[in-house]
Amino acid sequence: EAGVAQSPRYKIIEKRQSVAFWCNPISGHATLYWYQQILGQGPKLLIQFQNNGVVDDSQLPKDRFSAERLKGVDSTLKIQPAKLEDSAVYLCASSLGQGGVTQYFGPGTRLLVL
Amino acid sequence: RKEVEQDPGPFNVPEGATVAFNCTYSNSASQSFFWYRQDCRKEPKLLMSVYSSGNEDGRFTAQLNRASQYISLLIRDSKLSDSATYLCVVDSSGNTPLVFGKGTRLSVIA
Repeated sequence: EAGVAQSPRYKIIEKRQSVAFWCNPISGHATLYWYQQILGQGPKLLIQFQNNGVVDDSQLPKDRFSAERLKGVDSTLKIQPAKLEDSAVYLCASSLGQGGVTQYFGPGTRLLVL
Repeated sequence: RKEVEQDPGPFNVPEGATVAFNCTYSNSASQSFFWYRQDCRKEPKLLMSVYSSGNEDGRFTAQLNRASQYISLLIRDSKLSDSATYLCVVDSSGNTPLVFGKGTRLSVIA
């Protein structure tokens, strides 16, 4: 079974530039998550989708971050404009349902903002 | 008090040793508990769920203490391949997001 796919794997940009990340979840998984993991920290949830609807985006910095999952399958996360403190690994995960179910993570996109 | 707290370590142990990690959580309404493992520069992967009665999977044993609001992970007969960061994960209730701890780093030394 194919896992969660993410691209790109690495990205280096300058502050104030824009960047977008793509995620394709495991086939059939209705729930998709975007996490930010700063070095030395655990993953922090940015946004959770159930199909194409947003379940939780309370920790998403909405002035610069946006995400969509228009057809309820793959998703994009955008940062515009980027700040130095956005340097982190952006992890996408998916699960069959919500709540206390196993989440399967993609390999992540490592972002460096200079 | 942070939602999920872990000792960051590192725990440096010799091969064959037994090591235990604890994790405390602040929300008494939390219902689901997990341990995830994260290798260096890799994504987190589920190691095991934690059940109220405690559960064991090979060399790994997880325990839950609701009264004191902590969960533990015990690794027996440590292997070099156990070297990783172990993330404590708590689900407050129903459809709320999982909360990850910062992780405890384990290094098993030959």
